Amino acid sequence: GENVEQHPSTLSVQEGDSAVIKCTYSDSASNYFPWYKQELGKRPQLIIDIRSNVGEKKDQRIAVTLNKTAKHFSLHITETQPEDSAVYFCAASMYSGGGADGLTFGKGTHLIIQP
Amino acid sequence: DTAVSQTPKYLVTQMGNDKSIKCEQNLGHDTMYWYKQDSKKFLKIMFSYNNKELIINETVPNRFSPKSPDKAHLNLHINSLELGDSAVYFCASSQEWSLAAATEQFFGPGTRLTVL
Repeated sequence: GENVEQHPSTLSVQEGDSAVIKCTYSDSASNYFPWYKQELGKRPQLIIDIRSNVGEKKDQRIAVTLNKTAKHFSLHITETQPEDSAVYFCAASMYSGGGADGLTFGKGTHLIIQP
Repeated sequence: DTAVSQTPKYLVTQMGNDKSIKCEQNLGHDTMYWYKQDSKKFLKIMFSYNNKELIINETVPNRFSPKSPDKAHLNLHINSLELGDSAVYFCASSQEWSLAAATEQFFGPGTRLTVL
């Protein structure tokens, strides 16, 4: 099955600086890569996603890049703000005919924005 | 207008008991999921289900069983609860997968299960 590795497990940056979180996946059949943000005690919420036919996607201060050959993808947050502090999860998925295998998540990155 | 809801929010029970967690989505989605988040925050798929197919993660004990009375509901039944079942359980839903593209999964608020 799919395996997703995520680094670092904890990332502390100064407010206003950029943060980068990296993930690798094992199954070349995976073709959908979402990123979720989870605040303490809350549900995971999608912040950005990318499909395998795209190399980069940007939404305001958040961007995701995908390298299919190397099987890795990254989340970039620029001009970080205190409200960006949370746990971020990368995930990967593939299709199985008409069914859905669910998302395989990385182990999460605790992002801490220092004021 | 909650999209995905779960009840109860908290569940405390004794080892050996049988319990259920309910999940409802009002998004008209075709596929629903259950995930388990352990004490280290690791999120793992347990089941995915649409009206055609139930896919079970092979690591899930058969004490866990999903039940779908209709397209908008996917409940989780757990028999003979064990200490290691303590975790937060999240329900999620998405539009039916196709060969064209996957779509966003929307998560419920979670149910914190504590087994004593």
